[in-house]
Amino acid sequence: AQSVAQPEDQVNVAEGNPLTVKCTYSVSGNPYLFWYVQYPNRGLQFLLKYITGDNLVKGSYGFEAEFNKSQTSFHLKKPSALVSDSALYFCAVRDRSGNTGKLIFGQGTTLQVKP
Amino acid sequence: NAGVTQTPKFQVLKTGQSMTLQCAQDMNHEYMSWYRQDPGMGLRLIHYSVGAGITDQGEVPNGYNVSRSTTEDFPLRLLSAAPSQTSVYFCASSYDGRWNTEAFFGQGTRLTVV
Repeated sequence: AQSVAQPEDQVNVAEGNPLTVKCTYSVSGNPYLFWYVQYPNRGLQFLLKYITGDNLVKGSYGFEAEFNKSQTSFHLKKPSALVSDSALYFCAVRDRSGNTGKLIFGQGTTLQVKP
Repeated sequence: NAGVTQTPKFQVLKTGQSMTLQCAQDMNHEYMSWYRQDPGMGLRLIHYSVGAGITDQGEVPNGYNVSRSTTEDFPLRLLSAAPSQTSVYFCASSYDGRWNTEAFFGQGTRLTVV
């Protein structure tokens, strides 16, 4: 079965410091991985995706993610955090076990960036 | 570019009432879906559609109906609301439902059933 896991419920960083939000995956075949962000009382916004090619994927709002096949990880990163980055972050993969197109989400990681 | 638009944003229903959550997208996407988001359970797929006239069940379809008469619209109907349907509902669309395509989400409908 396909799955993604986010081992940290919450990540706290100071503004200006680098941030990392962790994600590990278990999929059959080639992994196609996504990161989404959810601001309070808002929908999920697509940040970036890994399909193939370069292991470092750049996305919206200065975020990037590093794909590591040997460690089955897809960690979200940003060199310098902003207070406005505080939100709930989800890693996701499309379910390949059926034909529903369902997105399988991790449990989410709350990022708190303090001034 | 409006993207995915959901209405209403908030709704309170009494047990047994019915209602329709509206969803429209202007990106000409073939694939549309409905999720519910509950604390500790993440997002779960309710129903999905791979194109106009085609719908199918997701993992938690009971108590909900959908239809897809046009590419743009994918309404979700609650037939007889129950407190267990208190949740935040998200509509999403994507070019297709294949593995490498990202989904675009609406802003959600927060539904409370009393």
